[in-house]
Parts: sequence; C-alpha cells; structure tokens
Amino acid sequence: AQRVTQPEKLLSVFKGAPVELKCNYSYSGSPELFWYVQYSRQRLQLLLRHISRESIKGFTADLNKGETSFHLKKPFAQEEDSAMYYCALSPQGGSEKLVFGKGTKLTVNP
Amino acid sequence: NAGVMQNPRHLVRRRGQEARLRCSPMKGHSHVYWYRQLPEEGLKFMVYLQKENIIDESGMPKERFSAEFPKEGPSILRIQQVVRGDSAAYFCASSPRDRAHGYTFGSGTRLTVV
Repeated sequence: AQRVTQPEKLLSVFKGAPVELKCNYSYSGSPELFWYVQYSRQRLQLLLRHISRESIKGFTADLNKGETSFHLKKPFAQEEDSAMYYCALSPQGGSEKLVFGKGTKLTVNP
Repeated sequence: NAGVMQNPRHLVRRRGQEARLRCSPMKGHSHVYWYRQLPEEGLKFMVYLQKENIIDESGMPKERFSAEFPKEGPSILRIQQVVRGDSAAYFCASSPRDRAHGYTFGSGTRLTVV
C-alpha cells in the first residue's frame, strides 16, 4: 500500500535555527515525491519536487531510497516560513493521483 | 489568469440534502482532480477527470458521490443525501496535459453538514 508518514504534527523553531520536516514513504516502486506548502489563508502550492532537485526559498529535499525518506530542510528558518507543509507521493507509471501525508505545522518564532 | 476557482467557499447543508461543489480549472488546463480533507487528516484523492471522461475514480465512495467535467462549464462534485461524516474541506486541482510543474490547487470548499 502507498503511504506517506509525517511523524511531527507540530514543529516549532526559532528564527535563524535549522529546520527539518520529516517525511517517510511506503511504496514498492519508484515514486515521485513532492513537498506542498499552505501559508495562512492561502491555497496549497507546490514547493519542491524531487525530480527537479532545486532549492526553493532556501528549502531542499533529498530522496533517500534506502531509508524511504524525503525530508525537507532549511539551514536558517525565517518567520515567513511558518505554514502547513505536506509531503506527497505520486506512484510510478504516470499515475495522476497524489498520496498526501497528514502535514506538519511549522511555526518559526522571532 | 484567475487560477483554479472553487465555489462556494463555504457550504452548509442539512442531513439528507444534496451538495454541489464547483471547480473551474486554470485556463488551458484539461485535467481536474478532486481531493477531500477530513479534520486532522491529509488530503485524500477522490477522482481524476478529463473533459467528458472519468479517468480514475478509485478514491470515490461507492454511493452518493459523483463527479463530472462536461465539455463546457466547470467540474462538479455532487454529494447526494449528505451525512455528518461528509463534513470536510474539498479541494480541486488542475493541470495541463504535461504535468511537469505539478498541480495548481483551488482554495477549497468547506462543507458543513448539520
């Protein structure tokens, strides 16, 4: 079965501290992994996808197939990073649907 | 480009009534997806449609729920005889044929069944 686990419901850090939002997945094939972000009163938007291997707003995420993880990291958190973060998986073979984790609420304190 | 438009933003229905949720995809997008988010849960896939075709409805409950994406007009998610357990946020997303940039989500419709 396809499953995405985000073990932390809430995560609180201070401004300037490193932040890591954990994501583990369960899937037997080679999935495509994404991070979506939802800022307060805004719609869900794509932050990162593992295929593009890019850094957006200082965030990076590396797919670790051995550990089946796709953790989201930022070396120096900013207050504007406070938001809900969702990890999502798209199964292999061009399947269009996404499997989402339950999300982690990140709060960056001043 | 107005993005993915969902209406209404909030919908209140009494048990047994019908709920109709609308989604207008982004201009140029021909693929529409519906997701449901129950309280304290992640988004759960319901259905994927292209114009006049249901491609994947594996996440749709077997009864009372239906979806369409007609040749003209928005995509409609219809819930008949709503029950309290249908209370949730329903999100629509759209994408072009090439999904290289992922989905674009709407703001969602929050359905409350009283």
